[in-house]
Amino acid sequence: GQQLNQSPQSMFIQEGEDVSMNCTSSSIFNTWLWYKQDPGEGPVLLIALYKAGELTSNGRLTAQFGITRKDSFLNISASIPSDVGIYFCAGGFGNEKLTFGTGTRLTIIP
Amino acid sequence: GAVVSQHPSRVICKSGTSVKIECRSLDFQATTMFWYRQFPKQSLMLMATSNEGSKATYEQGVEKDKFLINHASLTLSTLTVTSAHPEDSSFYICSAQGANNSPLHFGNGTRLTVT
Repeated sequence: GQQLNQSPQSMFIQEGEDVSMNCTSSSIFNTWLWYKQDPGEGPVLLIALYKAGELTSNGRLTAQFGITRKDSFLNISASIPSDVGIYFCAGGFGNEKLTFGTGTRLTIIP
Repeated sequence: GAVVSQHPSRVICKSGTSVKIECRSLDFQATTMFWYRQFPKQSLMLMATSNEGSKATYEQGVEKDKFLINHASLTLSTLTVTSAHPEDSSFYICSAQGANNSPLHFGNGTRLTVT
């Protein structure tokens, strides 16, 4: 099946640093979603974007829906230990049949 | 907030047996549910779309006779892995959508191990 290109694949950062990851697609989407998945659990929705150019924040998280509708980024400011996990972007049309990114594994170095 | 419950969380079965996984929306009615499969260190791959009261729509390459989906009510969809083989071992995750444009919420997944 189709997957979105998500980068970076993994990140090793120190606590307190900012994090940035992005997703790109060869086709447009009407919806971009960002999820976080902890080991052995299902993805948890972080931010949902429904409009090209939209910039939305959720606490220390900020995500934007690219103007071209083919990309999105997620920023995490002042990372903390509980931010560790795998982050997935997902593109869709009205939330139906989401296509997931390849994931970004975030590790925080003590 | 919206909660999706998936059961069981883990199951081990022998080759050739069948396993049923349940996905329930606890505080909303889900007209559509989705079933995903996730192999270790990989992303989620959509298997099928389950619509209440009608047949499921399967993605290309997913065998409908092997992965039976039933969505008999607005709060329950089941996935049955029939005649399971070791290569079916994976993490199966469901998600549910309520009213139009409401965000998808995911269950906690089911770890299937076929011995």
